[in-house]
Amino acid sequence: GAGVSQSPSNKVTEKGKDVELRCDPISGHTALYWYRQRLGQGLEFLIYFQGNSAPDKSGLPSDRFSAERTGESVSTLTIQRTQQEDSAVYLCASSSRTGNGNTIYFGEGSWLTVV
Amino acid sequence: AQRVTQPEKLLSVFKGAPVELKCNYSYSGSPELFWYVQYSRQRLQLLLRHISRESIKGFTADLNKGETSFHLKKPFAQEEDSAMYYCALSGRRGATNKLIFGTGTLLAVQP
Repeated sequence: GAGVSQSPSNKVTEKGKDVELRCDPISGHTALYWYRQRLGQGLEFLIYFQGNSAPDKSGLPSDRFSAERTGESVSTLTIQRTQQEDSAVYLCASSSRTGNGNTIYFGEGSWLTVV
Repeated sequence: AQRVTQPEKLLSVFKGAPVELKCNYSYSGSPELFWYVQYSRQRLQLLLRHISRESIKGFTADLNKGETSFHLKKPFAQEEDSAMYYCALSGRRGATNKLIFGTGTLLAVQP
């Protein structure tokens, strides 16, 4: 596709349920990122995949959060036993290796509301 | 540790006034610095990056390694500049690496 695609665009779930958020990066992009943006706050780094290297999971807030990516394709962010504080926009982004720095392209986000 | 600080959550100016959005960073190596912008109901997008030394939509930003700053400036603000602005840092030159963002500054340009 032309850009980073995320699904679902909106998700309302009950506290305690598990959710999966999907990201389709731009074709050929080796790097994929997940960020979280809570209402009124900035972007919080969650996890970063780069090719076949081990992912950088340093931003995951708890062990309820996990993410997978197969090769250089789709990624899934899973939140288990959701809590109300997990309500946020989850942004996915991808980038390609360039010689002029790191331009990343964002999806429109998945709005998660935990009730 | 990598850190990006944007001290202002909100900056309100009148149309035609100069704008400076502050960004300070902490990084021990040679950083790449960026400004990203999010207009209302649009996705986050790159505005400019320091290695390009370019002016986009009248905005410029100079990397000051001595002050570890990368402030975003525009001499005359326009109403369409109203948006959320994020400063970001990447740790390695010439290689893809994760970006660390500041908390953002909401720029509101009043008519």
